[in-house]
Amino acid sequence: GAVVSQHPSRVICKSGTSVKIECRSLDFQATTMFWYRQFPKQSLMLMATSNEGSKATYEQGVEKDKFLINHASLTLSTLTVTSAHPEDSSFYICSAWRLNTEAFFGQGTRLTVV
Amino acid sequence: KQEVTQIPAALSVPEGENLVLNCSFTDSAIYNLQWFRQDPGKGLTSLLLIQSSQREQTSGRLNASLDKSSGRSTLYIAASQPGDSATYLCAVRPTDSWGKLQFGAGTQVVVTP
Repeated sequence: GAVVSQHPSRVICKSGTSVKIECRSLDFQATTMFWYRQFPKQSLMLMATSNEGSKATYEQGVEKDKFLINHASLTLSTLTVTSAHPEDSSFYICSAWRLNTEAFFGQGTRLTVV
Repeated sequence: KQEVTQIPAALSVPEGENLVLNCSFTDSAIYNLQWFRQDPGKGLTSLLLIQSSQREQTSGRLNASLDKSSGRSTLYIAASQPGDSATYLCAVRPTDSWGKLQFGAGTQVVVTP
């Protein structure tokens, strides 16, 4: 089946530093990818829609300057958490649609800011 | 605004029993509904996708039904096994919100040996 690969799976960083998370569609092209955030025991919250070759669209309440999204190719989107703080610690997951029909998700990235 | 609710929030059953997980949504204007499985600290694995024109989908021990008009879907897992222990999420794809899935909070399932 289709595979979406996310890297890294876990990252610990110091407060004030930036962290980049990669999301790749391995066997299909994705002009659009989605970034979600998940708090413990809660469901997924959509953060932004990543569009290949254009600016990302952010959901209300999501700081676009803190969560930088780049969709440089049809198979790669990156999320950079800039100047990370402990409150940014969370589980981040990306997804992509194959043939505009079925959503596939990455393995997720556990970010811990200390 | 579309709202997705999953009941119960948690469920514990002995091995061999059938599982019934419920998902309801408030707006019937959807393209499809997807059921996912999430293991602790992991991403989501797609289990079943039901198009809005379909009534059910089956894969092995899993069967999902969809009643769009009443805003309900049910996931049945037959003859549960300890390996079925996970959180199960349902998500709808609204017709007015391309690609953006609306998720329920999930049902945490524990199957005891």
